[in-house]
Amino acid sequence: DIQMTQSPSTVSASVGDRVIITCRASQNIRNWLAWYQQKPGKAPKVLIYKASSLESGVPSRFSGSGYGTEFTLTISSLQPDDFATYYCQQDNTDFGGGTKVEIK
Amino acid sequence: EGQLVESGGGLVQPGGSLRLSCAASGFAFSKSWMSWVRQAPGKGPEWVANIKEDGSEIYYEDSVKGRFTISRDNARNSLYLQMNSLRAEDTAMYYCARGYYWGQGTLVTVSS
Repeated sequence: DIQMTQSPSTVSASVGDRVIITCRASQNIRNWLAWYQQKPGKAPKVLIYKASSLESGVPSRFSGSGYGTEFTLTISSLQPDDFATYYCQQDNTDFGGGTKVEIK
Repeated sequence: EGQLVESGGGLVQPGGSLRLSCAASGFAFSKSWMSWVRQAPGKGPEWVANIKEDGSEIYYEDSVKGRFTISRDNARNSLYLQMNSLRAEDTAMYYCARGYYWGQGTLVTVSS
């Protein structure tokens, strides 16, 4: 099994801040990584797929990068709607433990 | 993107069985890998199982192997998850997924 390790588990930030979330895979997964945003009571929604491709309709302040074992999700300027929990997932299987973005 | 609608969840006693269904529409179901993903209350998502377009390849998460069976009926555009020998730790919202796109889920509660 491939282990996906996300960090940090929580980030406290203010509107306008730049937020970076990291996901590390225990093995090389090339670019088979997706990022999701989840709000309470809702299903996760994809933001980024294949490590760096922005899902249609997702604001351009979200970006993804990385290849192999190290990946990042960057929110360039945090907006009120972005306070949520974020998960990475490799190749439609294993998930990271999640990062909660909360108001500072 | 299409639509995925899960059904079949409910309250079941430990050791019991339940069959979840997922009705797919708006996309080429017979040409899509499909998955089940679950999320226990207050926890992160956990992948459960994947099935290839024609059902010829199937993969399971270790904790459900031998207890859960994923299947599909391409003629009915439907995905299934047969869950046997259910345990309290199987309590979760169960989502049907096509790649990165998920349904809204059906809740399974295992409790006496």
